[in-house]
Amino acid sequence: TQLLEQSPQFLSIQEGENLTVYCNSSSVFSSLQWYRQEPGEGPVLLVTVVTGGEVKKLKRLTFQFGDARKDSSLHITAAQPGDTGLYLCAGPEGNQFYFGTGTSLTVIP
Amino acid sequence: DTAVSQTPKYLVTQMGNDKSIKCEQNLGHDTMYWYKQDSKKFLKIMFSYNNKELIINETVPNRFSPKSPDKAHLNLHINSLELGDSAVYFCASSRPGTGNTEAFFGQGTRLTVV
Repeated sequence: TQLLEQSPQFLSIQEGENLTVYCNSSSVFSSLQWYRQEPGEGPVLLVTVVTGGEVKKLKRLTFQFGDARKDSSLHITAAQPGDTGLYLCAGPEGNQFYFGTGTSLTVIP
Repeated sequence: DTAVSQTPKYLVTQMGNDKSIKCEQNLGHDTMYWYKQDSKKFLKIMFSYNNKELIINETVPNRFSPKSPDKAHLNLHINSLELGDSAVYFCASSRPGTGNTEAFFGQGTRLTVV
């Protein structure tokens, strides 16, 4: 089993603040993904990063893949209440996806 | 059109009962999964099927039996339900693993065993 540890586990911030979520592993992954899960729904893919050092931007969200392909970060600028949800990193390998421990984000209006 | 649909969305049952959760995907994917999400929100793989064949069985009690009648369907049958089985169960599908593929999830089935 390839373990992906996320930090922080919980995050509660005011609207307009910035935040960063981390995803770390001792294993090398060919790619890492970030999903967002809203209450009562399944996770939905936000982004896939495939190259060590890669940075991808999705509006106010910035994703980075570590140079050694063992870690990733998600930075949100000027958080909005609509960003509230559970953020999961995942490493797709072979016939399965290894999911991180999750970060529950609450953005307070 | 719902890509991955699972039923029921909620299931409340007594200990010792047998129950089934159904899953269907209309994406034409070859690989389907069952995941269990516990109270701490950790998503753990239970089973993975590729073209109706079992690929992964992750130390799941044999009270859990998946069945794939065709590659668009993967159902989960649970015998002799226990309190610890209470969780949200997610069905998902994807194209065969290439490292850059996406998992599509159903809405989940919240199972409560009383």
